[in-house]
Amino acid sequence: DTEVTQTPKHLVMGMTNKKSLKCEQHMGHRAMYWYKQKAKKPPELMFVYSYEKLSINESVPSRFSPECPNSSLLNLHLHALQPEDSALYLCASSQDKNGGAKNIQYFGAGTRLSVL
Amino acid sequence: AQKITQTQPGMFVQEKEAVTLDCTYDTSDPSYGLFWYKQPSSGEMIFLIYQGSYDQQNATEGRYSLNFQKARKSANLVISASQLGDSAMYFCAMIIMNTGFQKLVFGTGTRLLVSP
Repeated sequence: DTEVTQTPKHLVMGMTNKKSLKCEQHMGHRAMYWYKQKAKKPPELMFVYSYEKLSINESVPSRFSPECPNSSLLNLHLHALQPEDSALYLCASSQDKNGGAKNIQYFGAGTRLSVL
Repeated sequence: AQKITQTQPGMFVQEKEAVTLDCTYDTSDPSYGLFWYKQPSSGEMIFLIYQGSYDQQNATEGRYSLNFQKARKSANLVISASQLGDSAMYFCAMIIMNTGFQKLVFGTGTRLLVSP
């Protein structure tokens, strides 16, 4: 089973709201990732968690706050977002962040976020 | 610099025909992995096929095969017997070595449209 589950599928929020995106995997993977994807563009890496610790932050603004409560769950807390933050947010997982050249990342279906 | 290039913004193919999606890459690292992902309009990034730099044979997965030409630094995806459900965006990606972890770098994508 190569399933990564993301909720909600769609989210509309105002610039003063606080919301969270959730991601879950049960493949025993120890690396989890958040990506942001704008329309007609490839995904851009935001954060990497390895063994439940934040490993990489790709210079993401502090209004995005990731959290990894356990090895299966990954959250992305959103606060005071801007309209330009509207995008598809994808979660992915892999066996290990340094799993060799064959470090396949499996993605969820994403959350489509609109910031008004 | 490590880079993935997809030169075809869009491709059209008739149902049941084969289609080749182009991908070239640039890296000085002898060890790397190449991946193809499919992204339907629903948003999910679906892993299709993997090729390692040291693999002697071209990878195949069902109707998908990867035409790996190392000297030319190309990793084209061949889809045989196209189906209507193959209509989607296709991304070529490469694992690159970065400081502390292996980063997945995507090309700009090719949109495939399969017609009846």
